[in-house]
Amino acid sequence: DAMVIQNPRYQVTQFGKPVTLSCSQTLNHNVMYWYQQKSSQAPKLLFHYYDKDFNNEADTPDNFQSRRPNTSFCFLDIRSPGLGDAAMYLCATSRGTVSYEQYFGPGTRLTVT
Amino acid sequence: SQQGEEDPQALSIQEGENATMNCSYKTSINNLQWYRQNSGRGLVHLILIRSNEREKHSGRLRVTLDTSKKSSSLLITASRAADTASYFCATDFFGNEKLTFGTGTRLTIIP
Repeated sequence: DAMVIQNPRYQVTQFGKPVTLSCSQTLNHNVMYWYQQKSSQAPKLLFHYYDKDFNNEADTPDNFQSRRPNTSFCFLDIRSPGLGDAAMYLCATSRGTVSYEQYFGPGTRLTVT
Repeated sequence: SQQGEEDPQALSIQEGENATMNCSYKTSINNLQWYRQNSGRGLVHLILIRSNEREKHSGRLRVTLDTSKKSSSLLITASRAADTASYFCATDFFGNEKLTFGTGTRLTIIP
């Protein structure tokens, strides 16, 4: 079945230690998104790629970076995680950016110790 | 903020009853979508309703959109225990391609 896969499902990292979260898709969608969701809050968009075109949200901290080496894969790099970065990180894909539903992966729960 | 607000924040009903949750937003939209999120999981798309549509159905789900009041409602009929989840509305606005999620309604179905 076509799907969005995130690895790992749970990640524990130390304060300040870089961490990379991965997302892959078999849907062949043009757009890939990264969202941050804290407990009992709405998902917050960090950035998205339309093909190779990177779009950063204005309020996304510089600590967060992303790479999309090909259509199928997208990575979220957190260069120096702080305690406030502990959250669920959700990857999503869609065919386009307007008027299209988004398909979400199961998420990666990040804990910072 | 363009974020939608959902009402109520939490809702508990008996299995078999209908559940209604509402979403309000602030500016003119292209589309409004509803998503479900089970605890600790990703979101699942339920319905997309365009700004020129007033009502859509999908199985036990009914969504209405009132652009004059800038609001939408999601009705789940004959609720089941498996409907226990958080429900989010999400909108995209003219001139803004990103999807902005509302604050969510936590629905609990009591067996």
